Amino acid sequence: SQQGEEDPQALSIQEGENATMNCSYKTSINNLQWYRQNSGRGLVHLILIRSNEREKHSGRLRVTLDTSKKSSSLLITASRAADTASYFCATDAAGTGNQFYFGTGTSLTVIP
Amino acid sequence: EPEVTQTPSHQVTQMGQEVILRCVPISNHLYFYWYRQILGQKVEFLVSFYNNEISEKSEIFDDQFSVERPDGSNFTLKIRSTKLEDSAMYFCASTRAGYPEQYFGPGTRLTVT
Repeated sequence: SQQGEEDPQALSIQEGENATMNCSYKTSINNLQWYRQNSGRGLVHLILIRSNEREKHSGRLRVTLDTSKKSSSLLITASRAADTASYFCATDAAGTGNQFYFGTGTSLTVIP
Repeated sequence: EPEVTQTPSHQVTQMGQEVILRCVPISNHLYFYWYRQILGQKVEFLVSFYNNEISEKSEIFDDQFSVERPDGSNFTLKIRSTKLEDSAMYFCASTRAGYPEQYFGPGTRLTVT
């Protein structure tokens, strides 16, 4: 199974601190996406990184990808209370179609 | 900014009943997907749809499920005879041709009693 696994399962930080979440996956990929989900709500697309990219930025978000280790990290800098949510990585599988496999997510709590 | 929309936001149905969940993908997107998330579990892929036919489906997407694009804007998921274990959040997603980013709708919470 290609499903990714996020680490840690839960993370609690003070507002202003940085939050780092990791994702590992099992087989080669074409693309990896990060999503945010507020409790009981939909999935908000944050950033996509392709297998030939190593790092990508979007605002306070920084995503890295290490294909040799089959892992990715999401860094949120200068966290805010509004960043409190679950964060998921989703990977496709190289050579297959465009379905994405989601991990179990990291639950981030930012304490004001 | 264009968004994927889904209706209804919450659907309650009795076991054995048919339900149709509706989605309006982003207008210039050509690939459409359904995923589901059982409470407390991972988001799981159900099916992808392109050019008016299913392009991939998972083991979950058995004969009880079907998808349709009845017109130029809607994309539907039908569950023929619901079971208790079909209770979940169902998400529709869409992508533009050539761009792998999948944009999700807000979901429909299906409760089967």
